[in-house]
Amino acid sequence: DTGVSQDPRHKITKRGQNVTFRCDPISEHNRLYWYRQTLGQGPEFLTYFQNEAQLEKSRLLSDRFSAERPKGSFSTLEIQRTEQGDSAMYLCASRAAGTGSYGYTFGSGTRLTVV
Amino acid sequence: QKEVEQDPGPLSVPEGAIVSLNCTYSNSAFQYFMWYRQYSRKGPELLMYTYSSGNKEDGRFTAQVDKSSKYISLFIRDSQPSDSATYLCAIPASLSGGSYIPTFGRGTSLIVHP
Repeated sequence: DTGVSQDPRHKITKRGQNVTFRCDPISEHNRLYWYRQTLGQGPEFLTYFQNEAQLEKSRLLSDRFSAERPKGSFSTLEIQRTEQGDSAMYLCASRAAGTGSYGYTFGSGTRLTVV
Repeated sequence: QKEVEQDPGPLSVPEGAIVSLNCTYSNSAFQYFMWYRQYSRKGPELLMYTYSSGNKEDGRFTAQVDKSSKYISLFIRDSQPSDSATYLCAIPASLSGGSYIPTFGRGTSLIVHP
């Protein structure tokens, strides 16, 4: 297993376009998390899944954002009508049940630049 | 007030120096604390976690918690250029559904120059 994989690594898009990111977690991890990190800040929680169920969404996740994990394996994060303020690193993390807040494995992120 | 506060730096030290990185937190109910390391263009990776007040040592790294002053520290002995990274402290904040997630400080950028 090569860890948490995110694709693409970098996305440049024009304002108003839609973008979709993919995360492939560690295969035996049933919990998957999305975070956003802007320059000079720590990662901020967006949403998480337990298997295919989306259990929690942050107030940061506006209605232009949607996340799915249809079969409890990979997840996608879509941003519609992108704005310049959406420019950030989008991080995915996964963990197995019972490992606590210290059991997270993060991917290398997708860096979004909205021009 | 953010749940965890951290000076962003950058902190620049010569190779071999002892480095001290610090955070303050607001909620005395937190039971354990984490330090993550993030290299440029990579995701954070867990470096250490500690449950209680006092020190926890792992090789060149020592995590220290002072619950009375709500202060957590990470010390790096004999710092190396490969330690150059951003160091993020994190606390387990609760979600509305009862789960806990790491909530991060803004990170301190450390540069160790040869």
